[in-house]
Amino acid sequence: AQKITQTQPGMFVQEKEAVTLDCTYDTSDQSYGLFWYKQPSSGEMIFLIYQGSYDEQNATEGRYSLNFQKARKSANLVISASQLGDSAMYFCAMRDGDSSYKLIFGSGTRLLVRP
Amino acid sequence: SQTIHQWPATLVQPVGSPLSLECTVEGTSNPNLYWYRQAAGRGLQLLFYSVGIGQISSEVPQNLSASRPQDRQFILSSKKLLLSDSGFYLCAWGLWASGTQYFGPGTRLTVL
Repeated sequence: AQKITQTQPGMFVQEKEAVTLDCTYDTSDQSYGLFWYKQPSSGEMIFLIYQGSYDEQNATEGRYSLNFQKARKSANLVISASQLGDSAMYFCAMRDGDSSYKLIFGSGTRLLVRP
Repeated sequence: SQTIHQWPATLVQPVGSPLSLECTVEGTSNPNLYWYRQAAGRGLQLLFYSVGIGQISSEVPQNLSASRPQDRQFILSSKKLLLSDSGFYLCAWGLWASGTQYFGPGTRLTVL
């Protein structure tokens, strides 16, 4: 069965510094997708970045990049030049290869950016 | 551009009362639709998903049900709420190709 693991319940980062949020996954599928979402205190889930299992290059979206290491089954999110508005919960998720319909979410990491 | 709406934003209901949460999507046709629940401080639990009108798949057995009466409308219901139904309910629509899901603002439900 597919599984997503986020081992960091909470993280601190100084404003303007970079931070890496860890995510490991487990699947026996060859085709899958990996996602990161941000959930601020308002509760809305905001899509940040997507990486397909066959994508050879790491995905990037502005200050967000996904460090995809397929052999290690890890998909870490890197946020560069942290801003105070980056303080939020961050969830890693995976779409399994059997169906494009469902996402499996990790337990999340709470990031606090210090001024 | 696509927009997803959910209402109400907050709801306080007594145990045993009925529930109806509505979700509508604009700007896309035949989307996959999803209902999730999030307990306080926890991750998301998929409750239902739908790939078309009248097509509902249930992920977790419970006293909740879902319906999709129109292409871009998804409704979450209960005949009798339990205390354990309290939580944050999120609706999402999904892209067929990548599976990326986009979420609505959510409904915070408290059952007393």
